[in-house]
Amino acid sequence: DADVTQTPRNRITKTGKRIMLECSQTKGHDRMYWYRQDPGLGLRLIYYSFDVKDINKGEISDGYSVSRQAQAKFSLSLESAIPNQTALYFCATSDPSGRGHSGANVLTFGAGSRLTVL
Amino acid sequence: AQSVTQLGSHVSVSEGALVLLRCNYSSSVPPYLFWYVQYPNQGLQLLLKYTTGATLVKGINGFEAEFKKSETSFHLTKPSAHMSDAAEYFCAVSAQTTRQLTFGSGTQLTVLP
Repeated sequence: DADVTQTPRNRITKTGKRIMLECSQTKGHDRMYWYRQDPGLGLRLIYYSFDVKDINKGEISDGYSVSRQAQAKFSLSLESAIPNQTALYFCATSDPSGRGHSGANVLTFGAGSRLTVL
Repeated sequence: AQSVTQLGSHVSVSEGALVLLRCNYSSSVPPYLFWYVQYPNQGLQLLLKYTTGATLVKGINGFEAEFKKSETSFHLTKPSAHMSDAAEYFCAVSAQTTRQLTFGSGTQLTVLP
């Protein structure tokens, strides 16, 4: 089984629908992230969570919300999907165990969830 | 604030030729630098990272990168390209004082037979 599992892997929906993308991990990591990938733009951070009670907005959080249900689960919601939210979404985890270099922790990515909003 | 610029969104090389993917960064504090690779239909995986110490960093699959503070660069190289190196490569920066990893826009590497 994959260390970071994203569901669904592909989803097509209509404008205005509510969508939830789910992420679960078996790494035992405290830190979890949601990124969005668009061609030519790289990855942009939507939300991140350093533990169950610590949730923070990233650079493009508008139109999105998250829930950290447990250490292992971090879900991303689009309350009312719009076409420009069509993208590839990645969940990632990291472990701050590299003491003294907390910014240097390495991300482990899921395989991605491709969302199309019509 | 931190940012990353990857020069060249597409790079093509012949099999056996040198691979050079360029990355320049901006950071107000000493940076941590990373290269990630994304194979088709997969998530990103770490190639190599620089935190402190030796400025020439070796990674997986024969790749290496050199941190040059004076040039604010962290270019990725491989002496001899293999067909299996075809993928998209992302440079990223973070720092001990930041909580976020900032990615570049990516470089798609094509390896020609």
